[in-house]
Amino acid sequence: GQSLEQPSEVTAVEGAIVQINCTYQTSGFYGLSWYQQHDGGAPTFLSYNALDGLEETGRFSSFLSRSDSYGYLLLQELQMKDSASYFCAVRDFDYKLSFGAGTTVTVRA
Amino acid sequence: EAQVTQNPRYLITVTGKKLTVTCSQNMNHEYMSWYRQDPGLGLRQIYYSMNVEVTDKGDVPEGYKVSRKEKRNFPLILESPSPNQTSLYFCASSLGVSSYEQYFGPGTRLTVT
Repeated sequence: GQSLEQPSEVTAVEGAIVQINCTYQTSGFYGLSWYQQHDGGAPTFLSYNALDGLEETGRFSSFLSRSDSYGYLLLQELQMKDSASYFCAVRDFDYKLSFGAGTTVTVRA
Repeated sequence: EAQVTQNPRYLITVTGKKLTVTCSQNMNHEYMSWYRQDPGLGLRQIYYSMNVEVTDKGDVPEGYKVSRKEKRNFPLILESPSPNQTSLYFCASSLGVSSYEQYFGPGTRLTVT
């Protein structure tokens, strides 16, 4: 199976930058995805990295290093609406999908 | 509107009473899956389906059944629910087995007493 580790909580102020790290152990790997979930809501897709490097989508960026089995999600210019849980996920060669336990980001004024 | 729907959204039931949670998507997606979400454990995959009549176990399949007779529907069946299956359940779909973007339904909050 897969094993993903990410910090449980991060707190920052509006306008700040937050980096959420994700390390994984997997028997097969098709790429690293990130999802956002607001309290009580459904997870929504944020980004995906299949290859090493940085992917940028507006204020959010995601990075992957396959050799280090490591990735991160970077949240820039934090806004109150960014308060949510963020999950990293990997898909193995059997197409089974595994998620990390999630990182709760709290943005303070 | 492209969406994944689940019913019911909330359910309180008793131990041993069979129940089915329905899931339907209108995007012609091949890949569908079920997850349960518990505090501190994130999302754990229960079952997934790569296409009609093709299903496979995820990380926590015990106590659950699924079927995929039509492409759009992927019901989750609890034959004999137990209190440890009290959880928030999500159905999700994606275009194909190699698609990285999953679309999630609104969730079903199940309580088994």
